[in-house]
Amino acid sequence: GENVEQHPSTLSVQEGDSAVIKCTYSDSASNYFPWYKQELGKGPQLIIDIRSNVGEKKDQRIAVTLNKTAKHFSLHITETQPEDSAVYFCAAISPGYSTLTFGKGTMLLVSP
Amino acid sequence: DGGITQSPKYLFRKEGQNVTLSCEQNLNHDAMYWYRQDPGQGLRLIYYSQIVNDFQKGDIAEGYSVSREKKESFPLTVTSAQKNPTAFYLCASSMPGQGGGEAFFGQGTRLTVV
Repeated sequence: GENVEQHPSTLSVQEGDSAVIKCTYSDSASNYFPWYKQELGKGPQLIIDIRSNVGEKKDQRIAVTLNKTAKHFSLHITETQPEDSAVYFCAAISPGYSTLTFGKGTMLLVSP
Repeated sequence: DGGITQSPKYLFRKEGQNVTLSCEQNLNHDAMYWYRQDPGQGLRLIYYSQIVNDFQKGDIAEGYSVSREKKESFPLTVTSAQKNPTAFYLCASSMPGQGGGEAFFGQGTRLTVV
C-alpha cells in the first residue's frame, strides 16, 4: 500500500516569513494529493490539493508543488500570519485504493 | 449548510462500557470514514464504507464496529474490547471515483475513558 512521509514534524517561523512542508510518497500510481489544516480541537480542513497532471497550484498565499519523478510534493505558505499556526497534514491516494493515506502532520507555529 | 456533523463533541465512558459516536452528512457523498487521532500518530483509519450496507476494516479496526444503514449516517461503536479508547475521533466523507475525491471532515468527538 501507499506510505506517506512528512517533514518536518514541527516548524517555527516569524510572522512574514515563508514556510515549507514536504511529503514523499511510495506508490508511483498515486494521483491525488490534498493538504489539510487542523486547528486545535477541530477537524482537518482541506486547504489546497493537486492532481498528478499538474506540477504546481496556487491559491493566494499558499501553493503546492508536485514532483512525480521524485515522488514528493510540498506545501508553501508565504507571508505567514499567526492565524496560520496549526497542524498541517499531507495525504495521497492511488487509483487502486479507496482511502487517503496521511502523513503524520507538521505543527506550524508562527510567532508575531 | 452542507457538511458533516459529529456528536457529541465530548464523551466520557466508564471502562467496560460500549459507546456509540454519531456521524451524519448531508453532502450526498457515497463514502464515509472513521479515523482515530492520537498525539504524534497522525490519522489512522478505523473503518470505511463506500456504499450503503457495506463497509471495510481499516488499519486499526479491532475493538470497533460500524453500520451503514443509511447513506447519510455512519455511526461508530467503541466496544469494551478496545484496550485504549481515549482519543480524538474524526469522521469524514467523500465522493470517490473522481480520481480521488475531496474528503471533508467533521469537527470530531473527544472520547475519554474514566
